[in-house]
Amino acid sequence: KNEVEQSPQNLTAQEGEFITINCSYSVGISALHWLQQHPGGGIVSLFMLSSGKKKHGRLIATINIQEKHSSLHITASHPRDSAVYICAVDNYGQNFVFGPGTRLSVLP
Amino acid sequence: DAGITQSPRHKVTETGTPVTLRCHQTENHRYMYWYRQDPGHGLRLIHYSYGVKDTDKGEVSDGYSVSRSKTEDFLLTLESATSSQTSVYFCAISGRGPQDGYTFGSGTRLTVV
Repeated sequence: KNEVEQSPQNLTAQEGEFITINCSYSVGISALHWLQQHPGGGIVSLFMLSSGKKKHGRLIATINIQEKHSSLHITASHPRDSAVYICAVDNYGQNFVFGPGTRLSVLP
Repeated sequence: DAGITQSPRHKVTETGTPVTLRCHQTENHRYMYWYRQDPGHGLRLIHYSYGVKDTDKGEVSDGYSVSRSKTEDFLLTLESATSSQTSVYFCAISGRGPQDGYTFGSGTRLTVV
């Protein structure tokens, strides 16, 4: 069993839809990160969470430490949101543990 | 002014040849990492460095070696490339490790034929 799992693996949505991507983990963590990777592009950090909720524009990230679960929400989705979204956890080590990613396609 | 650059961006090489990928940073960060990314897998750690001449293995280190002779450069070497090493390789840097988050390079697409 992977230490970090994401669902769904692939997601196709229509422009304007509300999107949720889930991340669950099985290890103790000090923080969880959500990353975005555009096709053929580099990887950028969206959020770092250790508790509660954070919002940036149309993106909202939440974490429930007790349930070992985090969600990334996108409101009013747009084709430019099409990317792979990656969950990564800091388990007090010297490096991250990454989830497999969720591939999102938003159709116009 | 990216702060982290990888070279080359693309490379095609033949099986059995040595290959070196370079990661260069201008942030004076202590930690540097090499990952590979393959379809169906998350980013998998190959090797990382926590200081000059201080390196350690990751989960997929077989067939790879690294060197860090100065803070700004972290080299990944495939001593004898194999087709299974065809992948996209990402370098990342961090000041204090995961607690500071990472900055990723743009990636190197390596094809071994």
